[in-house]
Amino acid sequence: GAVVSQHPSRVICKSGTSVKIECRSLDFQATTMFWYRQFPKQSLMLMATSNEGSKATYEQGVEKDKFLINHASLTLSTLTVTSAHPEDSSFYICSARPPSGRSNEQFFGPGTRLTVL
Amino acid sequence: ELKVEQNPLFLSMQEGKNYTIYCNYSTTSDRLYWYRQDPGKSLESLFVLLSNGAVKQEGRLMASLDTKARLSTLHITAAVHDLSATYFCAPDDDNDMRFGAGTRLTVKP
Repeated sequence: GAVVSQHPSRVICKSGTSVKIECRSLDFQATTMFWYRQFPKQSLMLMATSNEGSKATYEQGVEKDKFLINHASLTLSTLTVTSAHPEDSSFYICSARPPSGRSNEQFFGPGTRLTVL
Repeated sequence: ELKVEQNPLFLSMQEGKNYTIYCNYSTTSDRLYWYRQDPGKSLESLFVLLSNGAVKQEGRLMASLDTKARLSTLHITAAVHDLSATYFCAPDDDNDMRFGAGTRLTVKP
């Protein structure tokens, strides 16, 4: 159980275009999903927390107009990188947390590698 | 804000040796997670530690949590090459989970 998928796994786009990444919880409902970004040889940095049916909460320094997050259902959250630039190239990882349970454990997707040319 | 210090950041070990990775954090978190990441991959959950004094073991890895000292350890016993990866600790303070910088472990024959 507790499987999270991401699509696409890799994407290459031209500078100035927008890219949408999907995160799905396959076998559980997730009221909360998280989006992380990881640059090479660095740790994961939380970008935003996404709650179903409400606006996402962004971490300090993350531009909400550039990284649009939509959590339209209990099993799907999307991250849209708008007007992408080469510095947005990174590994984007989502995670989802089931609504109940003492552990509060997050289950991670396989990640999306974005390359902006 | 929850701060996490993990050390060492780089660890090169000989096969068969033992070593410990340390994770210090700044708040009174009583939940902490350890993850493994292989190059180009996402995170793999290793341990979920939910209380002070929690100790969990899986194969050659053992994790512990001391919430009073705000410290978790990941102990490697008789390392093998397959353990080469980056290991992250992540304490969770009231649903605010933050990652350590990671420890890049290389196990050499």
